[in-house]
Amino acid sequence: DTAVSQTPKYLVTQMGNDKSIKCEQNLGHDTMYWYKQDSKKFLKIMFSYNNKELIINETVPNRFSPKSPDKAHLNLHINSLELGDSAVYFCASKDSSYNSPLHFGNGTRLTVT
Amino acid sequence: DAKTTQPNSMESNEEEPVHLPCNHSTISGTDYIHWYRQLPSQGPEYVIHGLTSNVNNRMASLAIAEDRKSSTLILHRATLRDAAVYYCILRDVSTGTASKLTFGTGTRLQVTL
Repeated sequence: DTAVSQTPKYLVTQMGNDKSIKCEQNLGHDTMYWYKQDSKKFLKIMFSYNNKELIINETVPNRFSPKSPDKAHLNLHINSLELGDSAVYFCASKDSSYNSPLHFGNGTRLTVT
Repeated sequence: DAKTTQPNSMESNEEEPVHLPCNHSTISGTDYIHWYRQLPSQGPEYVIHGLTSNVNNRMASLAIAEDRKSSTLILHRATLRDAAVYYCILRDVSTGTASKLTFGTGTRLQVTL
């Protein structure tokens, strides 16, 4: 059973389109994250939700909007896609203990043409 | 977030021990030292973490300097499956649920036969 699953695994789309990436975790965790890994392999945190509430919001364009319908899901919607949005997006989750490890999904590779 | 410094790359022979160093001279009292690794085409994976004392688990050992300004991740017998990018990260637990992992550039470990 996959602990943190993301769909789709690959996403190819044109500039200006709107797309969503879904993330689900079956670990019973209450904190979820979105990270972005660019072409230079830098991993940067974008958002974090704890019990469906936004707690971390890094400097991310307003075109990116996370949505957490429940504790097990954190989706990422991106409006008006740009070439620079091409990257691998990773979802992660952890439990409520401050120092517990993050569990990452295997990523969604987004290519904007 | 306090920063860490790691070598860009290291090489090891299979079945030999590997010592991956990390410098964190500006570490604060509430920073835990975390290690993650990222295998090719996968999300980051938790390896180990510690505060002051050396730590062991099934994956690796973590040796922390007495002044906490540096640490070393030890893989006791490297295998080809250990080839990955290893990230040393300081995590400030005083921020509670807003605690986040900030990834640096990591060390790319190559393992050869």
